Amino acid sequence: AQKITQTQPGMFVQEKEAVTLDCTYDTSDPSYGLFWYKQPSSGEMIFLIYQGSYDQQNATEGRYSLNFQKARKSANLVISASQLGDSAMYFCAMENSGGGADGLTFGKGTHLIIQP
Amino acid sequence: DARVTQTPRHKVTEMGQEVTMRCQPILGHNTVFWYRQTMMQGLELLAYFRNRAPLDDSGMPKDRFSAEMPDATLATLKIQPSEPRDSAVYFCASGRGLTAVAKNIQYFGAGTRLSVL
Repeated sequence: AQKITQTQPGMFVQEKEAVTLDCTYDTSDPSYGLFWYKQPSSGEMIFLIYQGSYDQQNATEGRYSLNFQKARKSANLVISASQLGDSAMYFCAMENSGGGADGLTFGKGTHLIIQP
Repeated sequence: DARVTQTPRHKVTEMGQEVTMRCQPILGHNTVFWYRQTMMQGLELLAYFRNRAPLDDSGMPKDRFSAEMPDATLATLKIQPSEPRDSAVYFCASGRGLTAVAKNIQYFGAGTRLSVL
């Protein structure tokens, strides 16, 4: 069974600093996808970035990048130049899709607070 | 701006009552997922569909929960009878149903916050 571990329950970061949110995963399936979602206080789940297990390069989406280290089974999210609006819960998730689209397994999340 | 639509956004009910939550997936998406979020358990997959066929509902309490897709534009999650432990936020998500070698992004609705008294 797959498992996602996020070891940072909460983080305080100064505005404009870069942030790294940790995520490690465990799966025996060679084909999988890794996701990061943001959940602000309003409660919605917002997709941020995706990394496929066969992707050769780390994914980037604007200020978000994913530091994918396959051998270490880690998929850390990096937010550059943090903003006050980045304050939210952040969830790492994994999908095993060896046979097609599958449900996501989520980590417990990291509560990020950006301080002015 | 395509999005997953969930109704109702909030529901307060008494124990023993039937609860129905609805989801309209993004047009063109052929996979629909139901998740539940609680403080204790976090986000859990309850059930999902591909091309309206149920693929996995192993995360759902079978005796009281049921999930259906009567057509491609509507997915429902029912709880009968409801219990206080069912209080949670229920999310619906939809995706294109691609494999992991392509982007298979799941887009979430705003959720239904259920309180069972």
